[in-house]
Amino acid sequence: EIVMTQSPATLSVSPGERATLSCRASQSVSSNLAWYQQKPGQAPRLLIYDASTRATGFPVRFSGSGSGTEFTLTISSLQSEDFAVYYCQQYNNWPQTFGQGTKVEI
Amino acid sequence: EVQLVESGGGLIQPGGSLRLSCAASGFAVSSNYMSWVRQAPGKGPEWVSVIYSGGDTNYADSVKGRFTISRDTSKNTLNLQMNSLKAEDTAVYYCARPHYNYGYGYWGQGTLVTVSS
Repeated sequence: EIVMTQSPATLSVSPGERATLSCRASQSVSSNLAWYQQKPGQAPRLLIYDASTRATGFPVRFSGSGSGTEFTLTISSLQSEDFAVYYCQQYNNWPQTFGQGTKVEI
Repeated sequence: EVQLVESGGGLIQPGGSLRLSCAASGFAVSSNYMSWVRQAPGKGPEWVSVIYSGGDTNYADSVKGRFTISRDTSKNTLNLQMNSLKAEDTAVYYCARPHYNYGYGYWGQGTLVTVSS
């Protein structure tokens, strides 16, 4: 099973600042990596897939990068609606596995 | 429009059984693989089970031998039969469909399963 490790667990950021979230895979997942945004009481929402492709409905301030075992989600200028928990997921191998999440808080 | 609506969750005693259903609309449940993903309180999501378009199935080790995934194409539903439930199965259970084959682009609202005496 591929273990996904996210850091940091919590990121305290002010509105307008840049946020950088990391995700590391225990073995290569190529570019088969997704990021999700989850707000309280809601299902996760696909944010980035194929490591760097932004899903429909998300603004350009969200960007993903990386391949192999190291991945990064960057939010260039945090808006109030961006405060949430972010998860990475690899879909290169079964079982698909998720990270434990990074909470982006004010 | 793609919609997924789960039902069947509730409070169940350890060792008990529960059957979850996911009603799909806007697409055929057999058109792609579909999964059940669960999320325990305060934890990250955990993939549970998948049924592929051809009908093959796969399970997380933690539920293998206890859970059975199936689909009913006539009703366009995805099901999860859960037997021998344990406290650690307590979670919100989501059915999820991939965005093409790139992560889960479609999720239901989830149904809460609580295993407790």
